[in-house]
Amino acid sequence: QQQVKQSPQSLIVQKGGISIINCAYENTAFDYFPWYQQFPGKGPALLIAIRPDVSEKKEGRFTISFNKSAKQFSLHIMDSQPGDSATYFCAASPQAGTALIFGKGTTLSVSS
Amino acid sequence: DTAVSQTPKYLVTQMGNDKSIKCEQNLGHDTMYWYKQDSKKFLKIMFSYNNKELIINETVPNRFSPKSPDKAHLNLHINSLELGDSAVYFCASSLRGGIGHEQYFGPGTRLTVT
Repeated sequence: QQQVKQSPQSLIVQKGGISIINCAYENTAFDYFPWYQQFPGKGPALLIAIRPDVSEKKEGRFTISFNKSAKQFSLHIMDSQPGDSATYFCAASPQAGTALIFGKGTTLSVSS
Repeated sequence: DTAVSQTPKYLVTQMGNDKSIKCEQNLGHDTMYWYKQDSKKFLKIMFSYNNKELIINETVPNRFSPKSPDKAHLNLHINSLELGDSAVYFCASSLRGGIGHEQYFGPGTRLTVT
């Protein structure tokens, strides 16, 4: 049973466009929701994270939107750049600092 | 300075062999993890250690044995390697709860079993 469902599997966006990746979770005990960015041959790098007590968090061009009642959260990348081309993973855990349950990943390609 | 380091980066070995992967973190974290990333890039937790004690042991064959000699190190030993063990293994670390709980990943070890 997949506890964190991520979509789409792949995404192609024009340079300057908005990239949107969605995740849904089932376990209401989840309390921490990070997004990771992974480039080929590298380890996942933390991009931005949110707790369920806020509905939105923004860091530069990256924004997380969180809907607790729908058990959904999404990553928005504004003004997408070719350098943003990577695989993005959403994740969840019942407590920050504990093991993460990952979505299956989204491969983002930003065309110039 | 690398925050979470792993050695080796690549490991090619034959079926039936025993191999180890080492991980070290210099972030002062108290919790360390091993994740496995399969060929479809799916990341799954294998083990979690907090202050050298095993916290999580997911459904992993007992051929996999983690060992934490101290809070800064978490090694993974794999016995009798099988073709299906081929994957990228990531070490990660964090502080358990509280402030500064972000989880940092190492660069990964790509294991290929032939």
